[in-house]
Amino acid sequence: ELKVEQNPLFLSMQEGKNYTIYCNYSTTSDRLYWYRQDPGKSLESLFVLLSNGAVKQEGRLMASLDTKARLSTLHITAAVHDLSATYFCAVINTGTASKLTFGTGTRLQVTL
Amino acid sequence: DTAVSQTPKYLVTQMGNDKSIKCEQNLGHDTMYWYKQDSKKFLKIMFSYNNKELIINETVPNRFSPKSPDKAHLNLHINSLELGDSAVYFCASSLAGPGEQYFGPGTRLTVT
Repeated sequence: ELKVEQNPLFLSMQEGKNYTIYCNYSTTSDRLYWYRQDPGKSLESLFVLLSNGAVKQEGRLMASLDTKARLSTLHITAAVHDLSATYFCAVINTGTASKLTFGTGTRLQVTL
Repeated sequence: DTAVSQTPKYLVTQMGNDKSIKCEQNLGHDTMYWYKQDSKKFLKIMFSYNNKELIINETVPNRFSPKSPDKAHLNLHINSLELGDSAVYFCASSLAGPGEQYFGPGTRLTVT
């Protein structure tokens, strides 16, 4: 069974600092997604990574995928308070009934 | 225009009652899902329908029964509600198969 782990689970960082969230998964997959969830809100799609070496950037967030290491990273550059949210990675397992398996989530708190 | 909508947004009910949650998407997607998010924010897929056909039925109690009258709608009926059913339930849709998914606003179910 596919397992998806994120670390850290909770991250408190100051505005202006850089940090990376890690997403490890246990079986082969070449499709990975990052979502953002604000408190009490729905999930919003951030990035779709479809191949080994894929890198996507949007504002202060940059996501990458290494399918050989089964690892994706979400890098935050010069954090701002508006980035405070919970971030989920999700991986598709290939098989007879493909589904999206979500990571544990990383709660990011950016302080002034 | 709301892409994926759910009703109701909040649902408070007593143990033993039966309740339904409705979901509609206007994206023209073929695949729809129900997810459960528990108090620790962990997201787990419950069901998936592709063009009205049940594709994924995770280990979910028989008290939960999805129904898809057409590919734009996926409803969730829950019988004999239990305290442990309290959670946020998200509906989602994707174009075809388990690709990038678009989530509804969620239904917060509280069983007392």
